[in-house]
Amino acid sequence: DVKVTQSSRYLVKRTGEKVFLECVQDMDHENMFWYRQDPGLGLRLIYFSYDVKMKEKGDIPEGYSVSREKKERFSLILESASTNQTSMYLCASSLPVQGREGEQYFGPGTRLTVT
Amino acid sequence: AQKVTQAQTEISVVEKEDVTLDCVYETRDTTYYLFWYKQPPSGELVFLIRRNSFDEQNEISGRYSWNFQKSTSSFNFTITASQVVDSAVYFCALIQANSKLTFGKGITLSVRP
Repeated sequence: DVKVTQSSRYLVKRTGEKVFLECVQDMDHENMFWYRQDPGLGLRLIYFSYDVKMKEKGDIPEGYSVSREKKERFSLILESASTNQTSMYLCASSLPVQGREGEQYFGPGTRLTVT
Repeated sequence: AQKVTQAQTEISVVEKEDVTLDCVYETRDTTYYLFWYKQPPSGELVFLIRRNSFDEQNEISGRYSWNFQKSTSSFNFTITASQVVDSAVYFCALIQANSKLTFGKGITLSVRP
């Protein structure tokens, strides 16, 4: 069964802390994505990666960075957490096949609260 | 540019009612793909269906059906005989060549017993 896991379901951090969100997929997918979901704003793409060590900015990359050292793992890093980064963070993966890139498999999400 | 509009934000129905979730999209490409996702209260988005722009055939899967009409740029989703377990947020999404997946804002469906 297809599986995407995220390191934490709930996380509480203080303003200014460096935060790591981890995502692991076991489907051997080349594509991986990080989204944030906020009420009324839907899903917004933060960063994505088409291959190991590759990364591309999404629509809202400011304040975030990513790391992809292994194919199955994609990490989202908040360099200095701020309260406006309180959100639900969703990781996803997909195949690099035309049309199939949109068939994404999501993790359960991490609800991050920054105080 | 591509855009997905889900004009309905919240829908509430009583169990066993039929309900249709609307999705209207914009794209300049002739080749594109449309999707529906379900996000139950547990939070994990689940892929439901993919449809390419060259296939306007309607699709039925159990109580779920999808109606794709290029003439109106719509890809609507109907749940027949709704059940409480159908309560979720439903997202419509679009992808075209060399672009990212674009989601609509989502529709919150509540099915009351």
